[in-house]
Amino acid sequence: GESVGLHLPTLSVQEGDNSIINCAYSNSASDYFIWYKQESGKGPQFIIDIRSNMDKRQGQRVTVLLNKTVKHLSLQIAATQPGDSAVYFCAENIRGYSTLTFGKGTMLLVSP
Amino acid sequence: DADVTQTPRNRITKTGKRIMLECSQTKGHDRMYWYRQDPGLGLRLIYYSFDVKDINKGEISDGYSVSRQAQAKFSLSLESAIPNQTALYFCATSDRVSYGYTFGSGTRLTVV
Repeated sequence: GESVGLHLPTLSVQEGDNSIINCAYSNSASDYFIWYKQESGKGPQFIIDIRSNMDKRQGQRVTVLLNKTVKHLSLQIAATQPGDSAVYFCAENIRGYSTLTFGKGTMLLVSP
Repeated sequence: DADVTQTPRNRITKTGKRIMLECSQTKGHDRMYWYRQDPGLGLRLIYYSFDVKDINKGEISDGYSVSRQAQAKFSLSLESAIPNQTALYFCATSDRVSYGYTFGSGTRLTVV
């Protein structure tokens, strides 16, 4: 089946910078997307989600943007902190499927 | 206490041995999942269950079996472990309405 992928495997930023992590998807039937954060030695944690009837959704220091025209999803983290260092991956739900499909992940490294 | 608890956290076993990984949840969710995570391959679905009487194979079910003993408990068994089953295993849960998953902390399994 079609899969969710990421543009950059590793992103290095300085503390205080804004970070942008990207995700491409290929299935036009995808109608729900989630970003997860996975810290070393821990399970993935839900960050933020967005449905396909939305273009943007904001949380605390995070914003998810969805561009359905080019099938692109991004996670923006404002004022990145060392505690944001983790692997981030997106997941999609394809209409008609009963489980999520996960991307492979991007490592975010934040330097003090 | 964690919402989704996996035991053991770490396990080393020998080739050919039978091993069971256990998962319990206090979320009250109906749906439970077992995923395997390998470097560079992301999360891959092994089995999932939408209620006690429902068991479904995921994309990589060969060599694995599961048991849904109760709404709160979902165990994964490797009938005869082999080295390429060395991986990080995650249990996850979700409710009927939302698609967001809650993950456990994982079990790191090494087959020697």
